[in-house]
This record gives sequence, C-alpha cells and structure tokens, in this order.
Amino acid sequence: GENVEQHPSTLSVQEGDSAVIKCTYSDSASNYFPWYKQELGKRPQLIIDIRSNVGEKKDQRIAVTLNKTAKHFSLHITETQPEDSAVYFCAALIQSYSGGGADGLTFGKGTHLIIQP
Amino acid sequence: EAQVTQNPRYLITVTGKKLTVTCSQNMNHEYMSWYRQDPGLGLRQIYYSMNVEVTDKGDVPEGYKVSRKEKRNFPLILESPSPNQTSLYFCASTPGRGNTEAFFGQGTRLTVV
Repeated sequence: GENVEQHPSTLSVQEGDSAVIKCTYSDSASNYFPWYKQELGKRPQLIIDIRSNVGEKKDQRIAVTLNKTAKHFSLHITETQPEDSAVYFCAALIQSYSGGGADGLTFGKGTHLIIQP
Repeated sequence: EAQVTQNPRYLITVTGKKLTVTCSQNMNHEYMSWYRQDPGLGLRQIYYSMNVEVTDKGDVPEGYKVSRKEKRNFPLILESPSPNQTSLYFCASTPGRGNTEAFFGQGTRLTVV
C-alpha cells in the first residue's frame, strides 16, 4: 500500500518568514495530493491540493509543488502569521483494487508549525 | 449547511463495554471513512465505505466494525473496547472515491479505562 513520509515533525519559524514542509510517497499510481490544516482541538480542513498533471499551485500565501519523478511534494507558506500555527498533514490518494488495506487518503504523520512572534 | 456530524464528542468507557460512535453527513456523499488520530502517528484509516452496503478494512481495522445501511450514516462500533483504542476518532466523507476534498466530522475523543 501507499506510504507517506512527512518532515519535519516540528517546525518553528519567526513571524514573517517562510515555512516549507516536505512529503514523499511510495505509490507511483497516486494522483491526488491534498494538504490539511488542523488547529488545536479542531477537525482537519483542506487548505490546498494538487493533482498529478500539475507541477505547482498557488493560493495567496500558500503554494504546493509536486515532483512526480521523485515522488515528493511540498507545502510552502510565505509571510507566516500567528494564525498559521497548527498541525499540517500531507496526504496521497490510493485506490485499493484488490480489497483490503487502505483506500482513499493516506496521511503523513503531521508537522507541528509554530510561528514565533 | 453542509456538514459531517459525529456523536458523542467525548466518551469515557470501561474495557469490554460495547459502544457506537455515530457519523452522519448531509451532502449525499458516496464515500465515507473512519480515522483514528494518535500523537506522532497522524491519521490512520480504520474502515471505509464506497457506498451503501459496501465497506472494507483500512490500515488498522482490528477491534472495530462498521455498517452502511443508509447513504448518510456510517457508525463505528467497538464491540469490546480496550485501552489501546483510546484515541481521537474522525469520520470523513467525500463525493466520490477520494480525489476531492474530504470533509471531517468534529472528532470523538474516546478514553477506555
């Protein structure tokens, strides 16, 4: 099945600086890569996603890049603000055709982003 | 308002006492999943359902059951809970088979003593 590795597990940056979180995946058939933000005590919520036919996608201060050859994708947050403090999860879509094992989104273990004032 | 609703939000129970966590969505989504979230382990899929009466095991199904008798409901059943099932549980739904946004419920914090 799919395996998603996410680094770093904790990232502390000064307010206004950029933050980068990286993920790798194992299944070359994966074709959809979302990023979720989870604030303390809240549910995960989608912040940006990218499909395998695109190399980069931007939405204001957030961007995601995808390198299909190397099987890795990254989240970039520029001009970080206190409200960016949260846990961020990357995910990759897998589809189980043989039954058994996960189907749908496989998540990384998460990155705790801390924005220092 | 489009939403996924889980109940209860918090539950403390004793080992071996059967419990059910309910999940309901009002978006007519076909695909629903249950995840557990543990510190340092991220979100791990327990079970998923592609449609009514179609369910299958995810990565960590041991000790859990599910059912999908109606499109909107996907309850998670712990027949004989054990302390290692103490966790934060999330239900999620998507319109199809995962290649669009997954909507999560509010989460259920379960403690088994």
